[in-house]
Amino acid sequence: QKEVEQNSGPLSVPEGAIASLNCTYSDRGSQSFFWYRQYSGKSPELIMSIYSNGDKEDGRFTAQLNKASQYVSLLIRDSQPSDSATYLCAASAGSARQLTFGSGTQLTVLP
Amino acid sequence: NAGVTQTPKFQVLKTGQSMTLQCAQDMNHNSMYWYRQDPGMGLRLIYYSASEGTTDKGEVPNGYNVSRLNKREFSLRLESAAPSQTSVYFCASRPTGVEEQYFGPGTRLTVT
Repeated sequence: QKEVEQNSGPLSVPEGAIASLNCTYSDRGSQSFFWYRQYSGKSPELIMSIYSNGDKEDGRFTAQLNKASQYVSLLIRDSQPSDSATYLCAASAGSARQLTFGSGTQLTVLP
Repeated sequence: NAGVTQTPKFQVLKTGQSMTLQCAQDMNHNSMYWYRQDPGMGLRLIYYSASEGTTDKGEVPNGYNVSRLNKREFSLRLESAAPSQTSVYFCASRPTGVEEQYFGPGTRLTVT
């Protein structure tokens, strides 16, 4: 059974702080990793993708991947109240790049 | 360019009724997927279609059937709805050669 585990939430940070979200995966055949943001009642929105070991930065977001440890993380710098959402980690595997999702971490950024 | 569209947005069924959830994409993507999301959980893959004319089971296919009608459309059918199928259903699509999937707005289904 392929599994993606996310650190238990909910997570609260003050505005302007760094939010750190973590994820581990069980399938060593997973090739690509994604972070989706989901606002309440809305569909998942892709915010970061990462394919190789190391860091990938996009604006205030940094994704980190360590395939040896089967670990993926997302850092959100200068957190804003608009970042308050559930963050879903997903791993891709298989010929059709099927996604396996974690259960999500609910983030609240306090003004 | 509407992206991925899903109909209906909301639906209430009685146990034993049948219905079809519709999904269409106008981005010429080859691969399409159906997921369900239960409260407090991530998304689970029901069925997928790697290309027009092919479909495969995902993690939770029991109680569902799918049809890839053409390249644009991928429908999900519940033949005899059960309360355990109360969920939010998301359709997604992915272009060939790209890893990322793009999601539709979802259908919120309640089975009583």
